[in-house]
Amino acid sequence: GQNIDQPTEMTATEGAIVQINCTYQTSGFNGLFWYQQHAGEAPTFLSYNVLDGLEEKGRFSSFLSRSKGYSYLLLKELQMKDSASYLCALSGNYQLIWGAGTKLIIKP
Amino acid sequence: DVKVTQSSRYLVKRTGEKVFLECVQDMDHENMFWYRQDPGLGLRLIYFSYDVKMKEKGDIPEGYSVSREKKERFSLILESASTNQTSMYLCASSPPDRRSYEQYFGPGTRLTVT
Repeated sequence: GQNIDQPTEMTATEGAIVQINCTYQTSGFNGLFWYQQHAGEAPTFLSYNVLDGLEEKGRFSSFLSRSKGYSYLLLKELQMKDSASYLCALSGNYQLIWGAGTKLIIKP
Repeated sequence: DVKVTQSSRYLVKRTGEKVFLECVQDMDHENMFWYRQDPGLGLRLIYFSYDVKMKEKGDIPEGYSVSREKKERFSLILESASTNQTSMYLCASSPPDRRSYEQYFGPGTRLTVT
């Protein structure tokens, strides 16, 4: 199977740092995606990790450890506009396998 | 820029009606997908297609069918709409990049069946 687990909801404060975790159980995949989805809108691409390690892109970073079945998305200097759901997805065989998403609430 | 468009943002239909949701992409992508998204359940794959006239069932195909007569267009059909098909429907496409299969989404159609 390819169970993917993410926390349902997280709350953080504007200006702070938050880490959203994604754990999975799978026999193989090409890479791991993170997407952002604002309420009522479509998911949009944030990052894609193929190799183990940290990929940094501005305020957002994504980490993958294949041996541990674990990824995280790190958001720094949180802004109110970062309030959204964050979806992780495994890539392989034409498709993406999606986690249920983590709703991130940012408080002033 | 990849553009994926869906025929309607909001749709209200009656129980038993036949419903067509249209999706068009302009980037010559081979792969196209239909998902529904419900609170707490995430994205669930209904059907996908990796070529014209090809279709594969996803995780929840019951009550739905699809059509892909042209590469750029992928239609989702609800043969007889029911209230439990009230949901957000998202179409996506992806290029034949076997390294990633990154998906590009349309804006979504929020369907209400009454």
